[in-house]
Amino acid sequence: KAGVTQTPRYLIKTRGQQVTLSCSPISGHRSVSWYQQTPGQGLQFLFEYFSETQRNKGNFPGRFSGRQFSNSRSEMNVSTLELGDSALYLCASSSTRYGYTFGSGTRLTVV
Amino acid sequence: LAKTTQPISMDSYEGQEVNITCSHNNIATNDYITWYQQFPSQGPRFIIQGYKTKVTNEVASLFIPADRKSSTLSLPRVSLSDTAVYYCLVGDRNYGGSQGNLIFGKGTKLSVKP
Repeated sequence: KAGVTQTPRYLIKTRGQQVTLSCSPISGHRSVSWYQQTPGQGLQFLFEYFSETQRNKGNFPGRFSGRQFSNSRSEMNVSTLELGDSALYLCASSSTRYGYTFGSGTRLTVV
Repeated sequence: LAKTTQPISMDSYEGQEVNITCSHNNIATNDYITWYQQFPSQGPRFIIQGYKTKVTNEVASLFIPADRKSSTLSLPRVSLSDTAVYYCLVGDRNYGGSQGNLIFGKGTKLSVKP
């Protein structure tokens, strides 16, 4: 069974640009959540989608947004990138037996 | 969700048993205790989950005392490949139907030496 797939794996963007990251959950999983990981702040929850609806949101500015499609695939968008947005962005889908399954992440570098 | 406290780092040698203790003094009645393992530049990976007493799987054991205010992850006979960050989380069991919001602490960085 395929795991959680995140694309791209690496990304370099310039300040002020916007970026879109993609996450394909495990087949059959309807919940997708996003996390940001930085050395200073650790793993922080961004938002969670369930059946195309945002069900929960973390404490991040409105520049961070997301959506979920009918096939449960999810995207997150960051607009007007700042240097501090450089991080590993992780997506997770939920399992009925093993809790959360995370993808390998997208490493975003803002220059 | 309950806040957790773990040691920042631990060192061990190959073949030893490693015990990582997590404190969660304000754990709620419905909360479960879940441990994740994370290697650099990868997402966290589920290790084990429990509610009370002892849980064992092919990877680790989880010991939870009666008051549930702490828990201990036990890794038997560690190898170099067990070098990683280990996170203790408490919260809803959340197997896909309820709110999805994992709160990660700083975790414990385990270094296994030859």
